[in-house]
Amino acid sequence: DGGITQSPKYLFRKEGQNVTLSCEQNLNHDAMYWYRQDPGQGLRLIYYSQIVNDFQKGDIAEGYSVSREKKESFPLTVTSAQKNPTAFYLCASSIFGTENTEAFFGQGTRLTVV
Amino acid sequence: AQSVAQPEDQVNVAEGNPLTVKCTYSVSGNPYLFWYVQYPNRGLQFLLKYITGDNLVKGSYGFEAEFNKSQTSFHLKKPSALVSDSALYFCAVRDFASGGSYIPTFGRGTSLIVHP
Repeated sequence: DGGITQSPKYLFRKEGQNVTLSCEQNLNHDAMYWYRQDPGQGLRLIYYSQIVNDFQKGDIAEGYSVSREKKESFPLTVTSAQKNPTAFYLCASSIFGTENTEAFFGQGTRLTVV
Repeated sequence: AQSVAQPEDQVNVAEGNPLTVKCTYSVSGNPYLFWYVQYPNRGLQFLLKYITGDNLVKGSYGFEAEFNKSQTSFHLKKPSALVSDSALYFCAVRDFASGGSYIPTFGRGTSLIVHP
């Protein structure tokens, strides 16, 4: 089955620690996205990538980093510079360069600072 | 920039009654509009989209949406609500970004609660 896989489902981070969230897709999509979801705030864009080895900052990129070394993979690192990382993180993908196609989402990773 | 707005944080409806979740949009050019549903601790699932043609769009799970150009609205509807429809609903548009990309951009979400 085609889809997006995020792992882990739950992640706990200690203060000052970097953690990496995995996102893999087998939909052959060029475009991939990371969103952060907080209660009552909808989805906010962290980073997006249109093609391998290229990525752009979204609205709330500070304290996060990404890489896109393979078409299928778009991992997100939450660094120690992110002061309030507790949130639900969603990865998505879509066909690049079209306005009228939908995005496909993974099941999310819930990150908690302990 | 293209954007959507969902004026209601929460909608309550009794099971069996019709439901409406509201969305208004602001776009330049042709409006391409989407609805997604999110169940607790899960990702978003695509429900339906408007591209062109009929103003009434049918989607998954018995949902439909009515596109109204004069009111710049794209409300989600269902004739008879089920308790299992209780979830978070997002209206969305794809906003143009540099490099030819169209970024999925979402409203704040509306929590639908269907009471037995």
